[in-house]
Amino acid sequence: EAQVTQNPRYLITVTGKKLTVTCSQNMNHEYMSWYRQDPGLGLRQIYYSMNVEVTDKGDVPEGYKVSRKEKRNFPLILESPSPNQTSLYFCASRRGQGNSPLHFGNGTRLTVT
Amino acid sequence: GQQLNQSPQSMFIQEGEDVSMNCTSSSIFNTWLWYKQDPGEGPVLLIALYKAGELTSNGRLTAQFGITRKDSFLNISASIPSDVGIYFCAGPLETSYDKVIFGPGTSLSVIP
Repeated sequence: EAQVTQNPRYLITVTGKKLTVTCSQNMNHEYMSWYRQDPGLGLRQIYYSMNVEVTDKGDVPEGYKVSRKEKRNFPLILESPSPNQTSLYFCASRRGQGNSPLHFGNGTRLTVT
Repeated sequence: GQQLNQSPQSMFIQEGEDVSMNCTSSSIFNTWLWYKQDPGEGPVLLIALYKAGELTSNGRLTAQFGITRKDSFLNISASIPSDVGIYFCAGPLETSYDKVIFGPGTSLSVIP
């Protein structure tokens, strides 16, 4: 089954404790992206990657890092999480063409206390 | 920065009613995407529009690409309880297809 898989689904952590949210897709998609969803703000793009070893900032990249060492994986790293990063995070992927639709994972709900 | 506006912000309708919602922008889009998000899930693509004036249907859903290329509309006919969710419009920026932006969403509630 074609899918985008995120882990974990739920995560509660404390300020400053480094964490990684994993994302993997089995569709051989070139493009992958991370979004955060907050009430009233829709989905805002954090980082995206056009292909292996190519990453770029989205609209809200501060406090986040990503890496794309393999085509199928695109982890999101919070080196020093803060409470304002409490949010619902989605990973998505699509084919390389710019107007191809995004396929989303089921989300990771992160709480930073 | 670039942004999409959606209206209404939320809707409460009776089962069987038709629904209309729209998405507007101050910028031109070459692609409009409509997604639905069920509670606790990730957004799922409903309809993709690629040409100004295009009208596309997917079952009870119909979406239109506005001729000004600055807006899009989604209609749902004869709503049912499983239509409940948040509907997002989205599109890649004309200036940068790598960035896909989303509207704030329209929350739909259907009263049986």
